[in-house]
Amino acid sequence: AQSVTQLGSHVSVSEGALVLLRCNYSSSVPPYLFWYVQYPNQGLQLLLKYTSAATLVKGINGFEAEFKKSETSFHLTKPSAHMSDAAEYFCAVSDQDTDKLIFGTGTRLQVFP
Amino acid sequence: DGGITQSPKYLFRKEGQNVTLSCEQNLNHDAMYWYRQDPGQGLRLIYYSQIVNDFQKGDIAEGYSVSREKKESFPLTVTSAQKNPTAFYLCASSVRPGGTQYFGPGTRLLVL
Repeated sequence: AQSVTQLGSHVSVSEGALVLLRCNYSSSVPPYLFWYVQYPNQGLQLLLKYTSAATLVKGINGFEAEFKKSETSFHLTKPSAHMSDAAEYFCAVSDQDTDKLIFGTGTRLQVFP
Repeated sequence: DGGITQSPKYLFRKEGQNVTLSCEQNLNHDAMYWYRQDPGQGLRLIYYSQIVNDFQKGDIAEGYSVSREKKESFPLTVTSAQKNPTAFYLCASSVRPGGTQYFGPGTRLLVL
């Protein structure tokens, strides 16, 4: 069965610094991969998704993620953090056998002025 | 505006009471999902429906029930058998099973 691991439940950066949120998946077969963002007391919003068309995926709000098959990773990055980026971020993988989404446990991003 | 709505935003449950959370979508999506979110545990799938009049149990279905009588509606009932119902509940939908899921704003359930 598919699984996804997000390294680091909390990440803190200064405003203007690089944001790097890590995600590793378990399958050797390239799956569909997603990053979602959740602001306090709100639903999840899709940031970006990988569907095998390109290994570097650009999303909303200046975020991007790179799919690396050899490392089974799909890390999320942003060159320069803004205060408004403070939120919880979830990586998810689509299980092609069950058509379900498998979510990581989330990473809370704090941005300091 | 197309989207997913959930109501109410906050819901209070008394001991032994069943409560129903509403989820409606006007995106014409076939598949709909219910998740439970607890701090530090990510999202856990309660029930999902791939088509009208059909639904399947997810990973934590005990103490919950659903119906899918209309394409746009997928209500979740938290029964008295669910002993720890306090959580944030999220509804989602996708064009087809396995497709990109889009989420509603959530309902927070609290126990009195």
